[in-house]
Amino acid sequence: DADVTQTPRNRITKTGKRIMLECSQTKGHDRMYWYRQDPGLGLQLIYYSFDVKDINKGEISDGYSVSRQAQAKFSLSLESAIPNQTALYFCATRAPAWETQYFGPGTRLLVL
Amino acid sequence: KQEVTQIPAALSVPEGENLVLNCSFTDSAIYNLQWFRQDPGKGLTSLLLIQSSQREQTSGRLNASLDKSSGRSTLYIAASQPGDSATYLCAGRGAGSYQLTFGKGTKLSVIP
Repeated sequence: DADVTQTPRNRITKTGKRIMLECSQTKGHDRMYWYRQDPGLGLQLIYYSFDVKDINKGEISDGYSVSRQAQAKFSLSLESAIPNQTALYFCATRAPAWETQYFGPGTRLLVL
Repeated sequence: KQEVTQIPAALSVPEGENLVLNCSFTDSAIYNLQWFRQDPGKGLTSLLLIQSSQREQTSGRLNASLDKSSGRSTLYIAASQPGDSATYLCAGRGAGSYQLTFGKGTKLSVIP
């Protein structure tokens, strides 16, 4: 089984709809991250969390919110989706003592 | 703010050739630099991580170097194989920052 899983893997939604992307990990890591990737661009950090009670905004948090329900679960919400939020979304984890980040397979989101 | 650039955006080489991928960054006070591989439909896989105190790291046919004074890192792939075809991303973590700044990646194609 994969260490970092994301659901759904693909999602099509309409402008104005609320949508939630979920991430679960079995690596036991404290730190979790949400990134988005647009074609031809690098990954951009949306939110990151060091533990259940420590959540921080990344460089492009506007229009997004997150919830850290447990150490193993970190969800990303789009309260009112807009077309320019169409992108590939990645969740990642990291152990405090190590720098390496472990990525999920991504969720491809299309907002019409 | 750290900026990371990767040139070229795409590279095509015949199988068996040795090749170098380039990454440049603007902030020489870099904490570490990582190289990732991204395959279509999959998440990122960490290849090598170089701490600021290190000059290079090696894993199998891969060797990554870091030159803080010139703001450059290179990923050397020896004896390339078709299975090496993927997009390679570098990402830098600035001193005093918890965030990784990613380059846009180099798409490598190894032709049999």
